[in-house]
Amino acid sequence: ELKVEQNPLFLSMQEGKNYTIYCNYSTTSDRLYWYRQDPGKSLESLFVLLSNGAVKQEGRLMASLDTKARLSTLHITAAVHDLSATYFCAVDMYSGGGADGLTFGKGTHLIIQP
Amino acid sequence: DGGITQSPKYLFRKEGQNVTLSCEQNLNHDAMYWYRQDPGQGLRLIYYSQIVNDFQKGDIAEGYSVSREKKESFPLTVTSAQKNPTAFYLCASSKNRGRGSYEQYFGPGTRLTVT
Repeated sequence: ELKVEQNPLFLSMQEGKNYTIYCNYSTTSDRLYWYRQDPGKSLESLFVLLSNGAVKQEGRLMASLDTKARLSTLHITAAVHDLSATYFCAVDMYSGGGADGLTFGKGTHLIIQP
Repeated sequence: DGGITQSPKYLFRKEGQNVTLSCEQNLNHDAMYWYRQDPGQGLRLIYYSQIVNDFQKGDIAEGYSVSREKKESFPLTVTSAQKNPTAFYLCASSKNRGRGSYEQYFGPGTRLTVT
C-alpha cells in the first residue's frame, strides 16, 4: 500500500523567512504532484515532477524530486502572506495500465504572519 | 473555457437518503476520479474511471456508487450505506494515455452535509 507522509503538518512562519516542506512516499514512483488549497476551495496545481532530479520553480516556490530517496521538497523563499494555504503532495499510483488515481499526503497548513 | 464543473456546491440531506453528486468535464479527458476530503485531512480516492463504461474502486468505495456512460460525465451516488457521508467531495479528470504526466485537474467541489 502506497503511503505519503508530509511534514510538518502545520507551519507558522514570518514573512521574509525561508522554509521547506517535506514529502516522503513509500513505494517506487517517478510522478509527484504538488497542489495548493485555500480554505473552502478546491485544489490548484502547482508543480508536476516526472523524473529523478526534477526541479521546478514558480515565483517564491521551488519543488524538487529525488526518486531514489522517495522524497520531494517544496521550498519557500522569502515568504509572503499570500502564500498562506494548505499544500498537498500527491503520488501517482500509475501501474502501467493507465491512470489509477493519486495518493495524497495529509497536507501542510501554512500560515505566514507579517 | 475548458474545465470541470460540479453541482451542487452545497448539499444537505437527511440520514438514510441516497444523494447523487454531478461532475462534468469538457477537457476531453479519458480518466475521471472522485475523492473525499474530511476536515484537516488529505484527499482519499473513492472511485476512478479510465474509460467510458468502466470504473474501479478506490481506497474507500464502500457506501458509494458511480457510473460512466459518457466521457464527459462521472456522477457519484452517496448511498445510505455510507456511515459518515458528511464531507467535501472533489471530482478530477486527467488524460489516460501516452507519455508524460497524468496531472489531475480538479472541480470546485461539493460540500455534503447529512443530518
